[in-house]
Amino acid sequence: DIVMTQTPLSLSVTPGQPASISCKSSESLLHSDGKTYLNWYLQKPGQPPQLLIYELSNRFSGAPDRFSGSGSGTDFTLKVSRVEAEDAGIYYCMQSVQVPLTFGGGTKVEIK
Amino acid sequence: EVQLVESGGGLVQPGGSLRLSCAASGITFSSSWMSWVRQVPGKGPVWVSRISPDGSRTNYADSVKGRFTISRDNAKNTLYLQMNSLRAEDTAVYYCIRGGWSLDIWGQGTMVTVSS
Repeated sequence: DIVMTQTPLSLSVTPGQPASISCKSSESLLHSDGKTYLNWYLQKPGQPPQLLIYELSNRFSGAPDRFSGSGSGTDFTLKVSRVEAEDAGIYYCMQSVQVPLTFGGGTKVEIK
Repeated sequence: EVQLVESGGGLVQPGGSLRLSCAASGITFSSSWMSWVRQVPGKGPVWVSRISPDGSRTNYADSVKGRFTISRDNAKNTLYLQMNSLRAEDTAVYYCIRGGWSLDIWGQGTMVTVSS
């Protein structure tokens, strides 16, 4: 199974400041079709995870443009250009290049 | 409005069975891969299974293989998860999700508790 490792475990950010979360995979997430199967989710309390970024860097419908995904191979980053209060929650990366799909352990983001 | 609504969760004894259902609306269900993911409250999500649009292809996590069966009825826009030989470690919220790779639309989940 591909192991997904996220850092940091938690983050406290002042509104308006940038934030960055790292995700590393134990194997390359680059598929032979040229796509990188790395997604980012945000789970707010009492809600299911919501998709922010799919296939490395594509923002899902409704995801604010302050969220961006980057990286390659086994190293990935989610960046928030200017954090807002509504961005609080737990962020997960997930790989879907091979079965079983696996999630990172999560990064809890607190807004100061 | 896009909506996935799970049902069928509840309390079951170890060794028992449950069938979860997921009613889809607002999506082209018959052309969508569908998945199940579970999450123990306070822990991270764990992928369980996925099924192709026509139901001919399925994948399972090793932890449920041979015990759980994913299926669908495209005429009813409904996804199922038949869970047999349930164990305490199957206790979790079960989410129905559109997609097999980019899991993009999630239901609100249904709680399954396996306990005597």
